[in-house]
Amino acid sequence: EITLTQSPATLSLSPGERATLSCRASQSIINYLAWYQQKPGQAPRLLFYDASNRATGVPARFSASGSGSDFTLTISSLEPEDFAVYFCQQRTSWPPWTFGQGTKVEIK
Amino acid sequence: EVQLVESGGGLVQPGGSLRLSCAASGFSVSNNYMSWVRQAPGKGLEWVSVIYSDGRTYYADSVKGRFTISRDNSRNTLYLQMNSLRTEDTAVYYCARDRLYGSGTQASDYWGQGTLLTVSS
Repeated sequence: EITLTQSPATLSLSPGERATLSCRASQSIINYLAWYQQKPGQAPRLLFYDASNRATGVPARFSASGSGSDFTLTISSLEPEDFAVYFCQQRTSWPPWTFGQGTKVEIK
Repeated sequence: EVQLVESGGGLVQPGGSLRLSCAASGFSVSNNYMSWVRQAPGKGLEWVSVIYSDGRTYYADSVKGRFTISRDNSRNTLYLQMNSLRTEDTAVYYCARDRLYGSGTQASDYWGQGTLLTVSS
């Protein structure tokens, strides 16, 4: 089973600052990675698929990159609504499709 | 408009059974991959199961042999039959549509609001 490790666990930043989140896979997953945002009491929301393809309606301040086993989600300038928990998920050919443990972006 | 509405959660004793439902609208469950994902209180997301459009099913090791995913095409509804429930199955259970992208991979692009299962004596 592929393990995803997200870092840091918590990121304390102020609005307007840049956020950089990491997701590392235990083996190469090529680019089969998705990113989700989850706010308290809400279902997750898809942000990116295939490592860097932005989902419908995702603002341009969000970007994602990576391949192989190292992936990054970047928020160029944090808006108040961006403070949330972010999860990565590997979507290789065969399940199980594991999630990372999440990174919480909180207001400093 | 795509919508997913879960139901069927509740309080169950350890060893008990329960069936969750996920009513879909705006698309056909039979033509899509459909997943169940759960989230224990205060914890992260855990992928549970998927049913492919061709009917193949897959499960996380933690639920294999106890949970069964299925669908009713006439009702456009996804199900999760859960047997031999354990306290560690306590979680909010989400159903999600897995959209197939041109690359051949998928991602969960629509999610329900979730239904809470509590397993406790």
